[in-house]
Amino acid sequence: VQLLESGGGLVQPGGSLRLSCAASGFSFGSYAMSWVRQAPGKGLEWVAGISGNGMITKYADSVRGRVTVSRDNSKNTLYLQMNSLRAEDTAEYYCAKTTPLYSSSWFVDSWGQGTLVTVSS
Amino acid sequence: QSVLTQPPSVSAAPGQKVTISCSGNNSNIGNNDVAWYQQFPGAAPKLLIYDSKKRPSGIPDRFSGSKSGTSATLAIAGLQTGDEAHYFCGTWDSSLSVVFGGGTKVTVL
Repeated sequence: VQLLESGGGLVQPGGSLRLSCAASGFSFGSYAMSWVRQAPGKGLEWVAGISGNGMITKYADSVRGRVTVSRDNSKNTLYLQMNSLRAEDTAEYYCAKTTPLYSSSWFVDSWGQGTLVTVSS
Repeated sequence: QSVLTQPPSVSAAPGQKVTISCSGNNSNIGNNDVAWYQQFPGAAPKLLIYDSKKRPSGIPDRFSGSKSGTSATLAIAGLQTGDEAHYFCGTWDSSLSVVFGGGTKVTVL
C-alpha cells in the first residue's frame, strides 16, 4: 500500500487549497478513506471520511461547511477541497486508508507521509 | 482538548513495562473497539493495535492492548530505546465521527 499526498503549501487566511492523495497497491475503490490532520506539536484530529464508492461522506464539526472530501476511483485518487482557511487549519494532513465509516471497529491501517498546510498572512 | 484522555507522558527503564491508558465514555470506547498508533518524530503514525487487542503482522508481541468498559490500555513490555515515541488511541464515536486521544510520549530512562 502506498499513499502519496500532494497539494499542501502556504495559503492566506480565507484562501483555498485542494489536497490530493494518489493511492496504489490495493483495490482503492473497495476501501473507505479519511483525512487526518496534526497541528504542529499536537495530537491527531480526524477531518473527513468517505466510503469506498464515494456515496457516504462525514466531516468533523471543526471543518464542516468549509471542506469537501471526494474521490475518483478511476484515478485511484482521494481529494480534500479546503475553503475559507483559518490559521487553526495549519497542520500536517495525512491521507488514511481505513475500515468502513460507522464501523465499531474503525481504524487506519495505512497512512500517507503527509502534506503540510500553513495558513498565514 | 481531545475527546479521549491519555496521560501526557510515561517513562520506565529498559526492560521494564509501561502502560498507557485511554479513557472515554459510552459514546466511543464503551461501545466500539480501540486502535493504537505509534508515531516517531517527523514520521507518519503507524498502526500498532486494532480491535482493542489485535496486532497487525510485524508488530512484536511486546505490544498488547486491552479494553474494559470505557477505558483502554496499551502495554509495552520489555521496553527498548527504540520504543521512544508518541502513542495515540482512537475509535469511532456515536456522534458520527472519529475521536483520538491527545497522545502519550514514552520515554526510556
